[in-house]
Amino acid sequence: DQQVKQNSPSLSVQEGRISILNCDYTNSMFDYFLWYKKYPAEGPTFLISISSIKDKNEDGRFTVFLNKSAKHLSLHIVPSQPGDSAVYFCAASPRGREKLTFGTGTRLTIIP
Amino acid sequence: NAGVTQTPKFQVLKTGQSMTLQCAQDMNHNSMYWYRQDPGMGLRLIYYSASEGTTDKGEVPNGYNVSRLNKREFSLRLESAAPSQTSVYFCASSPTTSGEPNSYEQYFGPGTRLTVT
Repeated sequence: DQQVKQNSPSLSVQEGRISILNCDYTNSMFDYFLWYKKYPAEGPTFLISISSIKDKNEDGRFTVFLNKSAKHLSLHIVPSQPGDSAVYFCAASPRGREKLTFGTGTRLTIIP
Repeated sequence: NAGVTQTPKFQVLKTGQSMTLQCAQDMNHNSMYWYRQDPGMGLRLIYYSASEGTTDKGEVPNGYNVSRLNKREFSLRLESAAPSQTSVYFCASSPTTSGEPNSYEQYFGPGTRLTVT
């Protein structure tokens, strides 16, 4: 049972445009959500997070939106740059926050 | 500050052989984790250690054992390797200090690519 779902395995976006990556979750106990970025042959690196008390969090070009009623979050990257080409993982944890459940990832390709 | 280091980077085992994957962090983090990543499966938690001296099972613990040797080091052992354990293994750590913002983000090592034939 996949509790965190990233339904788009891949996404291609023109450089300079907005990239929107989506994530859905089923476990209503999740209250903390994170996005990680992964380049080939490297470990994932933390990008941005949001707790369930917020519906938006921004960090530079990256914004995460959380819709609790729909159990949906999205990552917006504006403007998209070639260095953003990577696999993006959504992750979630319940209160207590020690254990993360990851989605299957979305491969983002930025087209110059 | 090396962050999270893992050894070895690559390993090939025959079915039935044993080995230990090593992980160390120099960030004075309380919690450490072992994940495996398989194509189309994302990262799945094998075991974790919330603090020195404690370990708990994750989503896929069968066939693995762990040791939290001290606050810095967390090893993963395969006693009798099977082809189903062919994967990329990631170690991670997090500060996990109650009440501090951003203390639950996990920091990952570069991974160990294991092939079992």
